[in-house]
Amino acid sequence: NAGVTQTPKFRVLKTGQSMTLLCAQDMNHEYMYWYRQDPGMGLRLIHYSVGEGTTAKGEVPDGYNVSRLKKQNFLLGLESAAPSQTSVYFCASSDRDRGRNEQFFGPGTRLTVL
Amino acid sequence: GQNIDQPTEMTATEGAIVQINCTYQTSGFNGLFWYQQHAGEAPTFLSYNVLDGLEEKGRFSSFLSRSKGYSYLLLKELQMKDSASYLCAVRDGYGGATNKLIFGTGTLLAVQP
Repeated sequence: NAGVTQTPKFRVLKTGQSMTLLCAQDMNHEYMYWYRQDPGMGLRLIHYSVGEGTTAKGEVPDGYNVSRLKKQNFLLGLESAAPSQTSVYFCASSDRDRGRNEQFFGPGTRLTVL
Repeated sequence: GQNIDQPTEMTATEGAIVQINCTYQTSGFNGLFWYQQHAGEAPTFLSYNVLDGLEEKGRFSSFLSRSKGYSYLLLKELQMKDSASYLCAVRDGYGGATNKLIFGTGTLLAVQP
């Protein structure tokens, strides 16, 4: 049982390049989330999904797109990377979005945009 | 607006007790979570409070007062491995798809010998 996994772990991009971050979970969770974590800012929600085929905007969605074609996978795309998108990206999943059901986090992707 | 406040840094001694406070102002409330995050790692779940009072789990306890918008995490018998960031997060809303977590900036705890 791997929990939540993310690929890649590290990536360096040049301004204007594109990339896709992959998140996978093997807990059969309905809800999945993408966050970014910056020094002094805490975790901020980028996009989330409440089930296969659904996506919704979070607090800081600009510059990112997501897709949830399969229940176990949640992809985060950067179409044209900018230095402001240098951050650590965490994916998370939860069974339901109420009660004690906590979010389980992946190990993170450290992205640098030059 | 949405606001969660925690101290930025704290220092404590091995074997001692430390209390990390969190105050929040959110448009809705449907539970408060504490997460632990070691440097370079993912946040991991510590505790959940939705009713007023104290929840105890081993060396860790968490308290909630909804009327005061206040919570604290209490760590007893501190160990060096407790050196980490502690994140307070509020679940906003009353159910449904808008039930998202709002995170504070975290409190970096340094445990000294």
